[in-house]
Amino acid sequence: KAGVTQTPRYLIKTRGQQVTLSCSPISGHRSVSWYQQTPGQGLQFLFEYFSETQRNKGNFPGRFSGRQFSNSRSEMNVSTLELGDSALYLCASKGASGPYEQYFGPGTRLTVT
Amino acid sequence: QKEVEQNSGPLSVPEGAIASLNCTYSDRVSQSFFWYRQYSGKSPELIMSIYSNGDKEDGRFTAQLNKASQYVSLLIRDSQPSDSATYLCAVNIRAGGTSYGKLTFGQGTILTVHP
Repeated sequence: KAGVTQTPRYLIKTRGQQVTLSCSPISGHRSVSWYQQTPGQGLQFLFEYFSETQRNKGNFPGRFSGRQFSNSRSEMNVSTLELGDSALYLCASKGASGPYEQYFGPGTRLTVT
Repeated sequence: QKEVEQNSGPLSVPEGAIASLNCTYSDRVSQSFFWYRQYSGKSPELIMSIYSNGDKEDGRFTAQLNKASQYVSLLIRDSQPSDSATYLCAVNIRAGGTSYGKLTFGQGTILTVHP
């Protein structure tokens, strides 16, 4: 079974721009969660989508948004980029609705200059 | 107090030894617990999950959960240099409603296994 895929793998953007990241979960998985990883803050939860609905949201500003499509693929968008948004963005998929294992994709490394 | 805390590292053990990684969490309602391994420059890889009190063994890895004391640990037996990585403890903390997709992570413990 193919794993979680994320595109693009690397991005360089300028402050004020916006960016869209994509995540394709493991086949059959309907839950996709997004996380931000930085050296200072570690891994922090952004939001989770299940069956095209956002179920949970972390403590991030409204500039961070996401969506999920009917095929479970998910995108996250960051508008008006700030230098502090430079991070590794990870998505993770989960097979069922309950408290089960999440599997991470390779991540998208975003650099904001 | 942080929601999930791991023993401060880095942890250095000789090859063949047992590495012990510990994690405490603040929410008694937490239901599921995971250990991830992250190599430098890579994404986290799930190595263990545990849901009920006691021990769970998988190869050289043993996860131990004690909900009354609110801690979870990971033992790595016969440590190998290839085990050198950052180990992340993750907890599904129920925050009301459906929150299964949200994992709260500890800051990670860097493990080095030296030959």
